[in-house]
Amino acid sequence: DAGVIQSPRHEVTEMGQEVTLRCKPISGHDYLFWYRQTMMRGLELLIYFNNNVPIDDSGMPEDRFSAKMPNASFSTLKIQPSEPRDSAVYFCASSFGGPAYEQYFGPGTRLTVT
Amino acid sequence: GESVGLHLPTLSVQEGDNSIINCAYSNSASDYFIWYKQESGKGPQFIIDIRSNMDKRQGQRVTVLLNKTVKHLSLQIAATQPGDSAVYFCAENTGNQFYFGTGTSLTVIP
Repeated sequence: DAGVIQSPRHEVTEMGQEVTLRCKPISGHDYLFWYRQTMMRGLELLIYFNNNVPIDDSGMPEDRFSAKMPNASFSTLKIQPSEPRDSAVYFCASSFGGPAYEQYFGPGTRLTVT
Repeated sequence: GESVGLHLPTLSVQEGDNSIINCAYSNSASDYFIWYKQESGKGPQFIIDIRSNMDKRQGQRVTVLLNKTVKHLSLQIAATQPGDSAVYFCAENTGNQFYFGTGTSLTVIP
């Protein structure tokens, strides 16, 4: 299995631009998670899905952030408009059976907003 | 002004020595715990887990100890190697809620 796949690996964009991060979970996993990691705040859970349905989005910072999961093999995290304080590494993870089980993390997308 | 980041606990050990990484958790109802390892430039990776009905679990070169009385979890790494240098996170789980700790940075000195 290729593991969790994220794209792009690096993204540099200007403030105000729309950014879309993509994730393909491990086949057969029914939970998908989006995290943000910064030096200031550590690893933060943004949102997670179960069977493509958003379950807990309380970690989404504000309306500029949105996430979708149109099918079991694809999810997007969109930031519109982006701001410099959104600069971080964004991880996608997936798990099987429940959010509290072992999560498999992707390699992350390093986002820089200038 | 000066930015302030998370102050990660750090641990430096000599190659070949044993390492002990500690984690205090907050919820006495937490029933499942996981240790993750995050190497530089990568996502966290599962190392070992333990359920609250156990107080010790062993893996390959790693042992997790759980002390529910004081809500403390530790990860012991035997014969630490340079490849063990990473940030280690504990995660506590209560039903469908889960929380990651801030992590401990381990540096192995060759």
